Amino acid sequence: GAGVSQTPSNKVTEKGKYVELRCDPISGHTALYWYRQSLGQGPEFLIYFQGTGAADDSGLPNDRFFAVRPEGSVSTLKIQRTERGDSAVYLCASSFLSGANVLTFGAGSRLTVL
Amino acid sequence: AQKITQTQPGMFVQEKEAVTLDCTYDTSDQSYGLFWYKQPSSGEMIFLIYQGSYDEQNATEGRYSLNFQKARKSANLVISASQLGDSAMYFCAMREAQLTGANSKLTFGKGITLSVRP
Repeated sequence: GAGVSQTPSNKVTEKGKYVELRCDPISGHTALYWYRQSLGQGPEFLIYFQGTGAADDSGLPNDRFFAVRPEGSVSTLKIQRTERGDSAVYLCASSFLSGANVLTFGAGSRLTVL
Repeated sequence: AQKITQTQPGMFVQEKEAVTLDCTYDTSDQSYGLFWYKQPSSGEMIFLIYQGSYDEQNATEGRYSLNFQKARKSANLVISASQLGDSAMYFCAMREAQLTGANSKLTFGKGITLSVRP
């Protein structure tokens, strides 16, 4: 596609529920990143994929968070047993791994855990 | 220690004037990259400008320029001829180990709010 697409744009769920957030990167971008942004803060790194494999998952806060990218394109961020503190905007970005390696971001998925 | 420090809580500038947004960074790498992104109220992160640590010239992109002072570890963004549409949050970010790509993530600062007055 022309840009990075994220769905849903908004998700409201109850504490304890399971949530999936989807990211469709720019066609041909080999690298895909997930960030989390809380209100009034900068984006916080979660995980980065190069192709199908997670090259760096050091930012995942705990084992309730998991992400996959099975075919090297679309990625899904999965959050189990959601907590109110998980409420944030989840940003996805993709890039070519060359030159300045500029990240292009999607519009984000706003997650609200009640 | 914070990797990226943006301490200005909020900035105001008159339309058509220039404004400087401050950013300092901390790294022990010799090779790194510095980025500025704009985030308007719509929420999307928009790439503005990039500076590599080995670039000898300050980066420029239209009305945006980056005042890179390597010894001071600062990478301030200068916006010339401000426009009302420049009102947004601005984030400074760094990628360490730039050339090898071994550490490919961007680390962001907390951001600065810029408001342009008509």
